[in-house]
Formats: sequence, C-alpha cells, structure tokens
Amino acid sequence: DAKTTQPPSMDCAEGRAANLPCNHSTISGNEYVYWYRQIHSQGPQYIIHGLKNNETNEMASLIITEDRKSSTLILPHATLRDTAVYYCIVRSSNTGNQFYFGTGTSLTVIP
Amino acid sequence: DTAVSQTPKYLVTQMGNDKSIKCEQNLGHDTMYWYKQDSKKFLKIMFSYNNKELIINETVPNRFSPKSPDKAHLNLHINSLELGDSAVYFCASSQAPGREETQYFGPGTRLLVL
Repeated sequence: DAKTTQPPSMDCAEGRAANLPCNHSTISGNEYVYWYRQIHSQGPQYIIHGLKNNETNEMASLIITEDRKSSTLILPHATLRDTAVYYCIVRSSNTGNQFYFGTGTSLTVIP
Repeated sequence: DTAVSQTPKYLVTQMGNDKSIKCEQNLGHDTMYWYKQDSKKFLKIMFSYNNKELIINETVPNRFSPKSPDKAHLNLHINSLELGDSAVYFCASSQAPGREETQYFGPGTRLLVL
C-alpha cells in the first residue's frame, strides 16, 4: 500500500547535493507527496511535502514532475548528520489519509 | 521542550506480563497515533485518535488497547505480552487528519519481550 518506489540505498559525498528519487506512478490528483527521514534509532522526522509545485524549506527542496508520477528530494549540501533512511510517502484518501511507510532509501553521506 | 514525548524509552519484560507505554504531546494537536516498527524496520500504523475518539484501528490484536485521557495524551496498554510484540513503538501527533497534514513523531519506546 505504500504506492511508492525508491532505490534501497544511495551514497553521497559530504558537501555535495543528495538527490533522492521516488516513483509514484499511480498517484491521484489530490494526493500529496511527503518526505520523512529516520536517523538511526530515532523517530521519523518530517522534511517536506508538496502537491504539484516544487517546494523548498530550510531542510530540503522537493521537485515534482509535471505529470506528478515521480519526485526528487534534494538535500543541497549533505552533511554526515543527513545519513538516514528517507521515506517517500503518498497519502491517499482511500486509506483514510494515513501514512504508509515503505522501505525507503538508506542514504549514507561519505566524508 | 520536547514536542512529542514517550515513556519509557526502553522496556524489557517477560512474556505474559501487562505493560503500558505513555505518550504526551505539547503541540496542541487534535490527533494522535501509535506506530509499530518491527525488526525489519517496517513502520506500520496501529491506531489513530482524534479528540479522544478512536478513528483508525488497523489489524492489531485486541491485547493492544489505546487509552486517551485527554487530547494531549495517548497511552498504549498491552496485555499478555508475546515475543512477537518486541519492536519499537512510536507515538505521533498532528493538527487534524486530512490530505495535507504533517505528523510529528516521538523518540520511540524499545520493547523487548523475553
């Protein structure tokens, strides 16, 4: 029920941009894309969310393709503290608007 | 100034015991949740409460009973603990359920059943 596909793991050099892709080809027009991350042994942390337009906040940028079938989370200058599992979630009204976490992408930032 | 807090952080107990995990949020949110993260790291919702009323109850054994004394608290009581209950349990809260809603998670309670 996660409705998203992410690569299981990625590496990124410290100080470089980390681009994490997510496919959500069955997304409906009114469903939001959310990104959370979970640093080892901690609770999931909200990063960003969007519907159609690209979004940016102090943590990251979210680029959503025009057809909304995929998105990319961008951490502009990755640090070692960004090493975590990143979850892309599509919230569906069919599931009572609940968050269904998939397996995510394990991002390792390398010094 | 922790937004969502849980106690205890660690809980080790014997099979068959009854235990409770407490959750409190100081964000003024209306909705609270319990999630379970198993050993394979899958994070799955268990319950959702809105204004002290149960609105989501996923397929969870009835040994698990959430209790919400007020909007700021959602406790999880577990009867007759089993080995398979060993997991990390996360509490979360949000302003109100809806399509655009951000959930904030607590630090987790690590439960080990021996």
